[in-house]
Amino acid sequence: GAGVSQSPSNKVTEKGKDVELRCDPISGHTALYWYRQSLGQGLEFLIYFQGNSAPDKSGLPSDRFSAERTGGSVSTLTIQRTQQEDSAVYLCASSLYLIQGNTEAFFGQGTRLTVV
Amino acid sequence: AQSVTQPDIHITVSEGASLELRCNYSYGATPYLFWYVQSPGQGLQLLLKYFSGDTLVQGIKGFEAEFKRSQSSFNLRKPSVHWSDAAEYFCAALVGGSQGNLIFGKGTKLSVKP
Repeated sequence: GAGVSQSPSNKVTEKGKDVELRCDPISGHTALYWYRQSLGQGLEFLIYFQGNSAPDKSGLPSDRFSAERTGGSVSTLTIQRTQQEDSAVYLCASSLYLIQGNTEAFFGQGTRLTVV
Repeated sequence: AQSVTQPDIHITVSEGASLELRCNYSYGATPYLFWYVQSPGQGLQLLLKYFSGDTLVQGIKGFEAEFKRSQSSFNLRKPSVHWSDAAEYFCAALVGGSQGNLIFGKGTKLSVKP
């Protein structure tokens, strides 16, 4: 596609339920990133995937969070047993290679998750 | 710990006035540095980036930024602000060569008075 696409754009869920957030990166981009943007907290790195390498999960806040990337393209971020503090905008980005040199990361418009 | 600091949470300037948004980083080595803009309901858009070479970097929409190693700063500037520049601005850094994750500041919200 022309840009990074995320779905759904908005998600309201009840506390304790599981949610899945989807990211379609730009075609051909080998690197994919997930960030969380909470009110007043800026952007928090969650996880990134690069090609076939093991993902860097160092930013995942708890074991309730997991992500996978199938076929080196689409990625799904799963949050199990959601809590109210999980409410945030979840942003996905992709880049041709890992960000370095002249590689630029392109961001999607995000999924706004509200846990009630 | 590695960090990026944007000291100003909210700045208001008059249309046509000059703008400077501050960004400081704390790292041992010189990181790659970026400025992004986020308009309401939109994703982040890259304004400019610094990797090496000339410390004054030109970006899109008339923005520029200057890397100052001695001050660990990468401030964003624009000589004349337009009402459409009202948005939130994020400074970010990438450290460690091939490390993939950007470290973001908490952002500065810019309001523009007519």
